[in-house]
Amino acid sequence: GAVVSQHPSRVICKSGTSVKIECRSLDFQATTMFWYRQFPKKSLMLMATSNEGSKATYEQGVEKDKFLINHASLTLSTLTVTSAHPEDSSFYICSATPRGGGGYTFGSGTRLTVV
Amino acid sequence: QKEVEQNSGPLSVPEGAIASLNCTYSDRGSQSFFWYRQYSGKSPELIMSIYSNGDKEDGRFTAQLNKASQYVSLLIRDSQPSDSATYLCAVNRLDAGNMLTFGGGTRLMVKP
Repeated sequence: GAVVSQHPSRVICKSGTSVKIECRSLDFQATTMFWYRQFPKKSLMLMATSNEGSKATYEQGVEKDKFLINHASLTLSTLTVTSAHPEDSSFYICSATPRGGGGYTFGSGTRLTVV
Repeated sequence: QKEVEQNSGPLSVPEGAIASLNCTYSDRGSQSFFWYRQYSGKSPELIMSIYSNGDKEDGRFTAQLNKASQYVSLLIRDSQPSDSATYLCAVNRLDAGNMLTFGGGTRLMVKP
């Protein structure tokens, strides 16, 4: 089945630094990838939709200059959290679906802790 | 009204019982329906998809869809402690591309 690889799985960074999270579709091409954030005991919150070769579409309230998304190829999307602050500490999850549609396949998630 | 609604729970059932998880959605244009399981600290994993009215069975899981009532459910037979997780309902419109709308999830606890 479709596999989405996400790295790193866990990262601790200092306040003010930037962190890049990678999401790769391993055995299919994903023209669209989605980035979610999940706080403890809360549901998934869609942050942005990443489209290959074009600018990402951000959900209301998500700062596009803070959460930089790049989808340079059909198999790779990256999320960079810039100038991270402790309130950015969360579980970040990417997802993608094959071109034929169907349910999402999620990456394994990245636990970001900003200290 | 939220687009996809689920009771947050927790839903507590004894081991071996049937767990019934429910989901309602507001958009009549929804055409694809999915159930995901999410263990604490992990990302969601797809366990069932259903596209037409009726029941769809896969092992101990049965998804039920009623488009007229805008209702989709997931039954878990012979519940096991390892089924304890949060179950997310998601729906998709054909004209929404690949975008899914998720419910808030129901936390299921299966007690030995």
